[in-house]
Amino acid sequence: GENVEQHPSTLSVQEGDSAVIKCTYSDSASNYFPWYKQELGKGPQLIIDIRSNVGEKKDQRIAVTLNKTAKHFSLHITETQPEDSAVYFCAASGSGAGSYQLTFGKGTKLSVIP
Amino acid sequence: DAGITQSPRHKVTETGTPVTLRCHQTENHRYMYWYRQDPGHGLRLIHYSYGVKDTDKGEVSDGYSVSRSKTEDFLLTLESATSSQTSVYFCAIKRGGGTDTQYFGPGTRLTVL
Repeated sequence: GENVEQHPSTLSVQEGDSAVIKCTYSDSASNYFPWYKQELGKGPQLIIDIRSNVGEKKDQRIAVTLNKTAKHFSLHITETQPEDSAVYFCAASGSGAGSYQLTFGKGTKLSVIP
Repeated sequence: DAGITQSPRHKVTETGTPVTLRCHQTENHRYMYWYRQDPGHGLRLIHYSYGVKDTDKGEVSDGYSVSRSKTEDFLLTLESATSSQTSVYFCAIKRGGGTDTQYFGPGTRLTVL
């Protein structure tokens, strides 16, 4: 089955700096890669996603890049703000014979220091 | 907000007792999922459903069963709870149209003493 590795597990940045979180996946048939943000005591919230026919996608301060050859994808947050502090999860999906199963990374705790 | 509610939100129970968690959705989505979240493990799939009475196992299904007798409700049952099942449980739905995107409920924190 699919295996998703996520790095780093913790990340501290100064407010205004950029943050980058990286994930690798094992199944070359995976074709959908979402990112979730989870605040304390809440469920994961989808923040951005990308499909394998696209190399990069942006939404305001957030961007995701995908390298299918290397089987890795990254989340980029620019101009970080204290409210960006949360746990971020990457995931991969696509080869589960219609089950639409997601396999998640173990998460990155991002702390933005004011 | 994907119209997902989970109940109870918190539960403390004793080893060996049965426990049922409920996930309720208001938008008639076909696919529903149960995950558990533990420190250092991220989110792991327990079971999922692709329609009424249609369910399948996920990565960590041992010790859990599920039922879906109507579209809006997906139940997760721990027949005899163990301390290793202490976790936060999340339900998710997948919207239709061929997309893989899943949306999560608020979670249930379960403690097994």
